[in-house]
Amino acid sequence: DAKTTQPNSMESNEEEPVHLPCNHSTISGTDYIHWYRQLPSQGPEYVIHGLTSNVNNRMASLAIAEDRKSSTLILHRATLRDAAVYYCILRPSAGGKLIFGQGTELSVKP
Amino acid sequence: EPEVTQTPSHQVTQMGQEVILRCVPISNHLYFYWYRQILGQKVEFLVSFYNNEISEKSEIFDDQFSVERPDGSNFTLKIRSTKLEDSAMYFCASSRQSSYNSPLHFGNGTRLTVT
Repeated sequence: DAKTTQPNSMESNEEEPVHLPCNHSTISGTDYIHWYRQLPSQGPEYVIHGLTSNVNNRMASLAIAEDRKSSTLILHRATLRDAAVYYCILRPSAGGKLIFGQGTELSVKP
Repeated sequence: EPEVTQTPSHQVTQMGQEVILRCVPISNHLYFYWYRQILGQKVEFLVSFYNNEISEKSEIFDDQFSVERPDGSNFTLKIRSTKLEDSAMYFCASSRQSSYNSPLHFGNGTRLTVT
């Protein structure tokens, strides 16, 4: 399974944008980039996914580099409720299980 | 919005005892998963299940573990003879399909404590 690399932790201020980076230099052509997050004491929660083009949904935006070797999850206005561990995961087009790494622990300061 | 529900939220058991962790996946979902997370560590894949069969399992999922879908709504994980190292959060997940486009929906977990 192709690996992803994320910073262990990041800090943000409330109501400011947050850019969470992910490197995946060994990504294959059929891997989709998925982001999940895990709020304290909860199970992981789907955030967004994409293949090549940038993607937007009600939770976040996903910016994917042209060579697909990196991506950035963008939270446009961080709230205290966005404090969580964010996981960047490569998932083959056939789908199946998710393999979680350590993720980035995002803290949000009021 | 439909949710994956897990019971109990916390289970305490003695070493060597059998435990059954229960999950009710989202009703139109066809693929089911169990994951575990030892305190302070990564979320680890245990097993995936489709069409009443295990479709994939990890090295962690040894003979002490089994899964079952005993009726149309429940999905269970049984640990036959618990060990101290089985203490962890256990998450159930489901998805409508297996494809990349079908996200996994996770429950909020059962905290298993083995004493």
